[in-house]
Order: sequence, then structure tokens, then C-alpha cells
Amino acid sequence: DIQMTQSPSSLSASVGDRVTITCQASQDITKYLNWYQQKLGKAPKLLIYDASNLETGVPSKFSGSGSGTDFTFTISSLQPEDVATYYCQQYDSLPRTFGPGTKVDVK
Amino acid sequence: QVQLQESGPGLVKPSETLSLTCTVSGGSINSYYWTWIRQPPGKGLEWIGQIYYTGSTNYNPSLKSRVTISVDTSKNQFSLKLSSVTAADTAVYYCARGRGANRYWGQGTLVTVSS
Repeated sequence: DIQMTQSPSSLSASVGDRVTITCQASQDITKYLNWYQQKLGKAPKLLIYDASNLETGVPSKFSGSGSGTDFTFTISSLQPEDVATYYCQQYDSLPRTFGPGTKVDVK
Repeated sequence: QVQLQESGPGLVKPSETLSLTCTVSGGSINSYYWTWIRQPPGKGLEWIGQIYYTGSTNYNPSLKSRVTISVDTSKNQFSLKLSSVTAADTAVYYCARGRGANRYWGQGTLVTVSS
């Protein structure tokens, strides 16, 4: 199985701050990476697919980059409604695997 | 708008079989992959497996000996069976659409394994 790691595991930032989360795969997954947002008590929501493609209807303050084994997810200007846990997921191979999540909070 | 809804018992006894159904509305089950994912309370997401509408399946090796996913295209439903459950199988179970990116998700259903 491909192992996914994320850092940090949690962060707290101020409204308007730029927030960056990193995700690393244990082997080359080319571009086959998703980013999901999960708010408390809700199902995950797809934000980014193919590492950098913004899902339809998702605000452009969210972005993703990277390829191979190293990926980055960015919120350009953190807002209170962005409080959530963010997960990366690889779909280069089976079984699909998720990172452990990054909990984002607002100071 | 595609909607997914999980249904099934919220409480299962240890050693018994967990059975859930996902009903798809607002679109056809045909031509897509359908996925089950679970999340133990307070923990991360675990991919259980997926099925193509033709019935072709892929399972997580960690659960493969206990998992069966099936599809009923006439009812626009797909199902999950997990046998010989233990407390470690207590989780919110989600159904979702997609082979790689899961764009549509059910709201999730909590299944507790307890006697």
C-alpha cells in the first residue's frame, strides 16, 4: 500500500492568513492526488483533484500543487468557514489511501 | 443533482455481519464506480472498496477476507457486507461515487459494534 503523510497534523492561524499543508506519498503517484475538506459531523468534500485541478464550485482561494511524491495544499486567505480537517488521498493505485488529516482552526 | 443515502442497522453484535445499502438518486448507477469508505470515531478515513456498475470489484487487502460489495442496477443501489465484525469496525460508513476522485458522498451512517 502507498503510505500518505501530512504535515502539520494541526494548525491555528488568523483570519486572512495564508495556510499551507503538505502531503507526501511513499512512492511516486504522478499527479493522482485529491484534497478533501471535512467539517465536523459532515462527509468529506472534494476540493482538488489531479493534484492541482479545482473542483467545480470550489472557491479559488483553495489551490493545490505538486507531483511525484510531494504535494502542497494552500488556502490563500483563511476564513472562519474554512475550519475543518483536510485530507489528501492518492488514487494512483489500489487500495486508495488517505493521509492522516490536518486540522485547521482559526485563532 | 446526484444524491447518495446509506441505510442499515446502527448496531451490530460482535461476530455478526454488518450490512449497509447505498441508494443513488438523481442519476443512474450505470457507467460509474461506487465506493465505500469508513471513519472510526475521532479518526481518519479508510477506503474499504469499490464496485463498477458491471459488478467488478476491488477491495482493501486489509479487509478483503471479510468484505463483499455488490450492485443492484435495477434498484440503483449498491451494498456492503462486512463479516465477523469486532469493536474495531465501529465507524461512520460512507458511500461515494467515483473511481479516483469521490465527488458525491452520502451523509454517512454510524455503525456501532457492541453486544
